[in-house]
Amino acid sequence: QKEVEQNSGPLSVPEGAIASLNCTYSDRGSQSFFWYRQYSGKSPELIMFIYSNGDKEDGRFTAQLNKASQYVSLLIRDSQPSDSATYLCAVSRAGGTSYGKLTFGQGTILTVHP
Amino acid sequence: EAEVAQSPRYKITEKSQAVAFWCDPISGHATLYWYRQILGQGPELLVQFQDESVVDDSQLPKDRFSAERLKGVDSTLKIQPAELGDSAMYLCASSSHRAGSYNEQFFGPGTRLTVL
Repeated sequence: QKEVEQNSGPLSVPEGAIASLNCTYSDRGSQSFFWYRQYSGKSPELIMFIYSNGDKEDGRFTAQLNKASQYVSLLIRDSQPSDSATYLCAVSRAGGTSYGKLTFGQGTILTVHP
Repeated sequence: EAEVAQSPRYKITEKSQAVAFWCDPISGHATLYWYRQILGQGPELLVQFQDESVVDDSQLPKDRFSAERLKGVDSTLKIQPAELGDSAMYLCASSSHRAGSYNEQFFGPGTRLTVL
């Protein structure tokens, strides 16, 4: 079992729709959760982070965390063609010598078509 | 806006040759990370520095890879000898947190390595 799992997609949505990206993790010691966007050939760019159970909204993006279910998601409202990219879920745990280390999923490819 | 700098951006080498990558983190960031990203996969941590000290190199293939951050600022990652399977994007990231799990990492542009 991979530590962080994502559906690799591709996920295709029409412009203006809501894109829903999901991620599950296996380490119950995980404390912080991140969503990165990565355009082809570019480096990951942080778009959202969440630490507490529930929802966190930032503009068109909403991150949702459920630690009991070990599940984190990202919703993108009013999807635009410029949102087409690979979305990476990453988790981090506290304590020990690996504090701060990010463990990434394999990424979900999102395509927003006009 | 402060950014993580990396060089070179692209590197093509033949197997068995030595290669080196350089990273300059955001000023004041004590923690520096080197990740490797194989095409179609997420980044995987190779080594993490806190100032000049290595705090995690459990996934670094130490028979051929080495990393240093002598003055606790910029860092060099070296591969010797390079193998075909080392072809990947090498990403450097930095963060300002000294401890704890709340850790926002900022990535540099990466070095794309191709081993022929």
